[in-house]
Amino acid sequence: KQEVTQIPAALSVPEGENLVLNCSFTDSAIYNLQWFRQDPGKGLTSLLLIQSSQREQTSGRLNASLDKSSGRSTLYIAASQPGDSATYLCAVGGSQGNLIFGKGTKLSVKP
Amino acid sequence: NAGVTQTPKFRVLKTGQSMTLLCAQDMNHEYMYWYRQDPGMGLRLIHYSVGEGTTAKGEVPDGYNVSRLKKQNFLLGLESAAPSQTSVYFCASSYRFHGYTFGSGTRLTVV
Repeated sequence: KQEVTQIPAALSVPEGENLVLNCSFTDSAIYNLQWFRQDPGKGLTSLLLIQSSQREQTSGRLNASLDKSSGRSTLYIAASQPGDSATYLCAVGGSQGNLIFGKGTKLSVKP
Repeated sequence: NAGVTQTPKFRVLKTGQSMTLLCAQDMNHEYMYWYRQDPGMGLRLIHYSVGEGTTAKGEVPDGYNVSRLKKQNFLLGLESAAPSQTSVYFCASSYRFHGYTFGSGTRLTVV
């Protein structure tokens, strides 16, 4: 059974710092890996999607990498801002398009 | 430009009552999913559908039923609600391996 783990569970940083969120998964037979953002009381917003044949994706200040063989992904956020405060969820894609989620990292960026 | 719409947004049920949650998408996605999100548990897949007229069980299907009579709609039913079904329910749709879009959620309390 695929299991997805996110470390740390919570992170507090001062504004302007570069930071890394970690995601690991137990079964390397994934179809894709996706990072989402969730604000309190809201739905999920897709940030980056990495297909299984890709190694990384970038969008603005965000960069996500994927290493299938080691079962790891990282989300790098450059020059963090208070508006980045949210919970970040990692999810791996199964054969039916379904996503298996980690429990998230709650990020707080202090002004 | 609605994306994925869930109704209702909030509901309080008494134990033993039944209800149906409606999910509608306007992106012509083949795949649709129902997840529940609980504190400390992350998002877990309840049921999913890979096309009109098809449904399949996810990780936590007990106590729920689903139907996909039209491509754009995916209904989640609770026949006899239990307090353990108190949760936030999210619907999502996608092409098979991309385009994941989530609704804003339904907050259900069973008393």
